[in-house]
Amino acid sequence: AQSVTQPDIHITVSEGASLELRCNYSYGATPYLFWYVQSPGQGLQLLLKYFSGDTLVQGIKGFEAEFKRSQSSFNLRKPSVHWSDAAEYFCAVGAGQGAQKLVFGQGTRLTINP
Amino acid sequence: DGGITQSPKYLFRKEGQNVTLSCEQNLNHDAMYWYRQDPGQGLRLIYYSQIVNDFQKGDIAEGYSVSREKKESFPLTVTSAQKNPTAFYLCASSKTGNTEAFFGQGTRLTVV
Repeated sequence: AQSVTQPDIHITVSEGASLELRCNYSYGATPYLFWYVQSPGQGLQLLLKYFSGDTLVQGIKGFEAEFKRSQSSFNLRKPSVHWSDAAEYFCAVGAGQGAQKLVFGQGTRLTINP
Repeated sequence: DGGITQSPKYLFRKEGQNVTLSCEQNLNHDAMYWYRQDPGQGLRLIYYSQIVNDFQKGDIAEGYSVSREKKESFPLTVTSAQKNPTAFYLCASSKTGNTEAFFGQGTRLTVV
């Protein structure tokens, strides 16, 4: 069965510092991978996605992620965080043909220190 | 503007009552989904539908029911059989095939 692990439940970084959020997945075939962001009490917004091709994926708000098949990882990065990046971040793998059923990680809550 | 509308945003019900959560989309998407979110557990799939008048159980379907009579609508009923119904419920939709899902703003259900 598919699974996603986000090892860090909570991360705190200073404004302007670089960020890396970890994501490891388990999936038998080529995965479809996603990063979503959620502000408190809100829905999820797609940051970026990987289906195939270039393993370095650019997303919105200055985020990028790199797919590493050998490590079963899809880590999210940002060179310099802003206070508005404080939120919860979810990594997900798409499973199933036709319907994009998503299997989510537990999420990583990001706090930004001024 | 196109999007997914969930209503209401907050819902309170007494234990033992059924309650229906609304989800409407005007994105012309064929597929729709219901997820449940609990603190520290990420999101878990309840039901999904790829086409009108057809739907499948997800990972935690027990105590829930859905219908898909129209392409735009996918209501979720939380029945009295659901043992722990208090949660944040998210509806999503997508085109068929390998595309991303778009999410609504969620409904927070509290059962007292």
